[in-house]
This record gives sequence, structure tokens and C-alpha cells, in this order.
Amino acid sequence: EVQLVESGGGLVQPGGSLRLSCAASGFTFSSYEMNWVRQAPGKGLEWVSYISSSGSTIYYADSVKGRFTISRDNAKNSLYLQMNSLRAEDTAVYYCAVGGYYAEFDYWGQGTLVTVSS
Amino acid sequence: QSALTQPASVSGSPGQSITISCTGTSSDVGGYNYVSWYQQHPGKAPKLMIYEVSNRPSGVPDRFSGSKSGNTASLTISGLQAEDEADYYCSSYTSSSKVFGGGTKLTVL
Repeated sequence: EVQLVESGGGLVQPGGSLRLSCAASGFTFSSYEMNWVRQAPGKGLEWVSYISSSGSTIYYADSVKGRFTISRDNAKNSLYLQMNSLRAEDTAVYYCAVGGYYAEFDYWGQGTLVTVSS
Repeated sequence: QSALTQPASVSGSPGQSITISCTGTSSDVGGYNYVSWYQQHPGKAPKLMIYEVSNRPSGVPDRFSGSKSGNTASLTISGLQAEDEADYYCSSYTSSSKVFGGGTKLTVL
């Protein structure tokens, strides 16, 4: 059974940093492309970032480009999102999701809440 | 990366059929057959219901179907059931990124 478990969320001040993690199990993590998708409270879904299976290809939404960094450690079956220069508008539940460059998001974690507030 | 356009809400009675539209442009929905649909119950993670316009993952009831015409994709749910009440989101590939619709709240009367 595919399992994705996010962690690392919490309360952070504007301008601060946070690192999210996603622990994957139940599938061959190193063979799959991964994404981060977020959802602001009461709002819709927003794709944040994509990373290829090897980590060699990475894309970001314009809203986070230059501030967020996606990475993965295939030996540890883990996906990461380093978030710097956080803003109030980054407040959201962050989900990690299995999904290809073109394709759908097949599996989702339960999400971790990031709150940016002073 | 403008969001795709979905109706804010739709409703239907048990047993009826409803259709949710998802309108984009030739740069996203109209340009690729990579439209997917997600169901999200309150407080839960989204669940994939339709991929590549009209394909159902294993385990998704055949009451759920998808289609596309031009720049508009559609999700149809037939034989509505109480457990179908949820938010539904469409998504499309677009030039090195993905874009979602604003979401549609389905109410089963």
C-alpha cells in the first residue's frame, strides 16, 4: 500500500524558513516523479513544485520560484521542500503527491499545515 | 498560470446525474489530453478520480466519467450517492507546470 507521510509543518514568522519532509513507503520511490501541492485554508489546490525520479529535473510555480527548493533522497525514500523567505500567503496545507511531468497526481499524503504569521 | 474555471457549486438528488465543467485555454486543457479530476472530502487529502481526460483508476466506480471538448473538460457523475458529496477539482498540464481549477462543491440533496 502506498503511504506518504508529510512532516515539518508549523508556525513560522514572515521571512522565516521551514523544511518539509515526506516519507514514502509501499512503492519503489526512486522510480517515481514527485510533487508538492498546497491548499490555503478554505481555498483550492495549487501546484507548487515537481522533481523527476532522479532529481535532475525540477520545476516551480512562479509564486514560489527563488524561495522554495525541492529535493529528494532516494536512499531514504524521502522528499523535501525547503521554504525560505516565507510570506503570509504561503500559509497552507502542503501535500506531497506522486505524479509525472505531464500526468496526474496518483497518490497524496495527508498533508502538513504551515502557518506564516507574526 | 491562471486557474482553470469551474462552477463554485452544483447539486443533485440521489440517483440523478450531474456534470461539472472545467474551462481553460488552448495552452492547457485544449492543448493536451492530460486533464485529471480529484475528489476531496472535508479534512481529507484529494483522491484521483479521472486521469488523461477519461480514464478511471482502479477502484473508482464507473459512475464517474470524464470527457473533453475544445478548451472545456467535464466530469459526470451518474447515479448520485450521498458519499459523492465533496469538493471536486480539475487539473491540467501546461508548459512545465500544472494548473488546477478553483473547485466545485457538490451537494447531494
